[in-house]
Amino acid sequence: RKEVEQDPGPFNVPEGATVAFNCTYSNSASQSFFWYRQDCRKEPKLLMSVYSSGNEDGRFTAQLNRASQYISLLIRDSKLSDSATYLCVVNALEGGSYIPTFGRGTSLIVHP
Amino acid sequence: EPEVTQTPSHQVTQMGQEVILRCVPISNHLYFYWYRQILGQKVEFLVSFYNNEISEKSEIFDDQFSVERPDGSNFTLKIRSTKLEDSAMYFCASSETYTGELFFGEGSRLTVL
Repeated sequence: RKEVEQDPGPFNVPEGATVAFNCTYSNSASQSFFWYRQDCRKEPKLLMSVYSSGNEDGRFTAQLNRASQYISLLIRDSKLSDSATYLCVVNALEGGSYIPTFGRGTSLIVHP
Repeated sequence: EPEVTQTPSHQVTQMGQEVILRCVPISNHLYFYWYRQILGQKVEFLVSFYNNEISEKSEIFDDQFSVERPDGSNFTLKIRSTKLEDSAMYFCASSETYTGELFFGEGSRLTVL
């Protein structure tokens, strides 16, 4: 199975900081891309979809670079409540079906 | 807001026993998935299901695993003879389209003793 790679961190940042995560994927036949957030022992929850044109949702900005096969997530003005694991998900064609494949996640700790 | 529901939330079983994990996907969704997450590790794909049949399965999804959609609403994962290494959180997810976002249930934690 093609891979989705993330730096596991943890990224330890003060409140108010800006932090960026990257994710690389190996399957060039990837169709859709997402960032999910996972709190400890909870289910993944969609943070945002990632589009080629880039997209922004409040303090969060996601970018896709198809040529270099990576996606990024930028969090501005970090809050304590942003502390979580951020999962990169790439939906790629494998064996005739699209399979959403997860990276191992990047841990973010925001401290006062 | 519609949601994916999973039962049980936690199951403890003896090695070698059969376990059935149940999921009710969002009603208008067509694509269904099972993932597992061993504590401290990544979310791993097990199987996808569409149009009442398996569309893709991973190398983890061997002969001890099976899925079915018995009544048009429930989507079950059966583990026939559990092993210690099957201890994990099992997440069910559904999606409206084949490349759309996944909606996850809260997970079923399986502990095999």
